[in-house]
Amino acid sequence: DAGVIQSPRHEVTEMGQEVTLRCKPISGHNSLFWYRQTMMRGLELLIYFNNNVPIDDSGMPEDRFSAKMPNASFSTLKIQPSEPRDSAVYFCASSPTTGYTEAFFGQGTRLTVV
Amino acid sequence: QQQVKQSPQSLIVQKGGISIINCAYENTAFDYFPWYQQFPGKGPALLIAIRPDVSEKKEGRFTISFNKSAKQFSLHIMDSQPGDSATYFCAASKGSARQLTFGSGTQLTVLP
Repeated sequence: DAGVIQSPRHEVTEMGQEVTLRCKPISGHNSLFWYRQTMMRGLELLIYFNNNVPIDDSGMPEDRFSAKMPNASFSTLKIQPSEPRDSAVYFCASSPTTGYTEAFFGQGTRLTVV
Repeated sequence: QQQVKQSPQSLIVQKGGISIINCAYENTAFDYFPWYQQFPGKGPALLIAIRPDVSEKKEGRFTISFNKSAKQFSLHIMDSQPGDSATYFCAASKGSARQLTFGSGTQLTVLP
């Protein structure tokens, strides 16, 4: 099993540009999460999908952020327009739905907005 | 509102020593308490987890102690090794919800 796969691993973009982060969850996992990690705020949950449906997006910072999960094997997090304060490491994680099981994290995308 | 408070922010321990990281939570609905370990450039990975129906769980050198009345739980790393040097996060979730609320993290350095 390849685990949760995120792309790109690193992204440098200019302020105002659109950024799309991608995630492939572990096959068979029904739950998918997007987290953001910064020194100041730690690990923050942005949005949570269950069976491809967004369940909780209360952590999405503002309208510039959007996330989709068109099928069970793919999700995107888009920032448009990007700002320097969006610079962070973005993690995707997946887990099975039933029981108290662990969330498996990808290696993250380090986003730098200049 | 920070629902899981973690301390210390950083910890330096000699090889063979005991590392102790503490967390406190506010929401009594939380009923699952995992600890995650993160190495530089990697995503967090589950280390050990506990439910509030037990007061202690041990896996090898790692032990979680849980105090439900005080709403506190801690991670103990016995015989700490340089390879344990990483950032450790406590977390909590509730009921059928899958979302984890993370503590702020503790950067552990184990000196050789």
